[in-house]
Amino acid sequence: DAGVIQSPRHEVTEMGQEVTLRCKPISGHDYLFWYRQTMMRGLELLIYFNNNVPIDDSGMPEDRFSAKMPNASFSTLKIQPSEPRDSAVYFCASSLPDKKLFFGSGTQLSVL
Amino acid sequence: QKEVEQNSGPLSVPEGAIASLNCTYSDRGSQSFFWYRQYSGKSPELIMFIYSNGDKEDGRFTAQLNKASQYVSLLIRDSQPSDSATYLCAVTASKLTFGTGTRLQVTL
Repeated sequence: DAGVIQSPRHEVTEMGQEVTLRCKPISGHDYLFWYRQTMMRGLELLIYFNNNVPIDDSGMPEDRFSAKMPNASFSTLKIQPSEPRDSAVYFCASSLPDKKLFFGSGTQLSVL
Repeated sequence: QKEVEQNSGPLSVPEGAIASLNCTYSDRGSQSFFWYRQYSGKSPELIMFIYSNGDKEDGRFTAQLNKASQYVSLLIRDSQPSDSATYLCAVTASKLTFGTGTRLQVTL
């Protein structure tokens, strides 16, 4: 298995622009998680899905953030409009019900 | 109080020594406990998990859980320079929550 695949690896954009991050989970995993990592706050859970249904989005910072999972093999995290404080590494992870997470390589987002 | 707390370090140990990493958690209903290793610039990787009180050993790694005291620890025996990384504790109650991690440096 190729593992969790994220794209892009790096994203540099200007404040106000829309950013879309993409994730393909491991086949057969029914949980998908989006995390954000910064030096100050560590790994923060933004949202997670079970069987494509959002279960907990309480970590989504504000209405500028949205996430979708249209099918079992694809998810997106969108930020619109982006702000400099959104600069971070965004990780997607997937798991079986045992919650042993497998992480993707992450997307390094820089908002100028 | 943070849900999962770890000392940020760095924790410096000489090669061959035992490294002891600690984590405390606030939710008594927590049921699953994980240790992830994260090398600089890389993604977290699961190295140990434990569900019940006591010790669990896997090679050079031992996870210890004490639910009454609400702490979980990770021991690394015969530490190697390749063990130098940040170790993240994660706890599952209603959701999986990570600590901010402890940076371990194994010196030659």
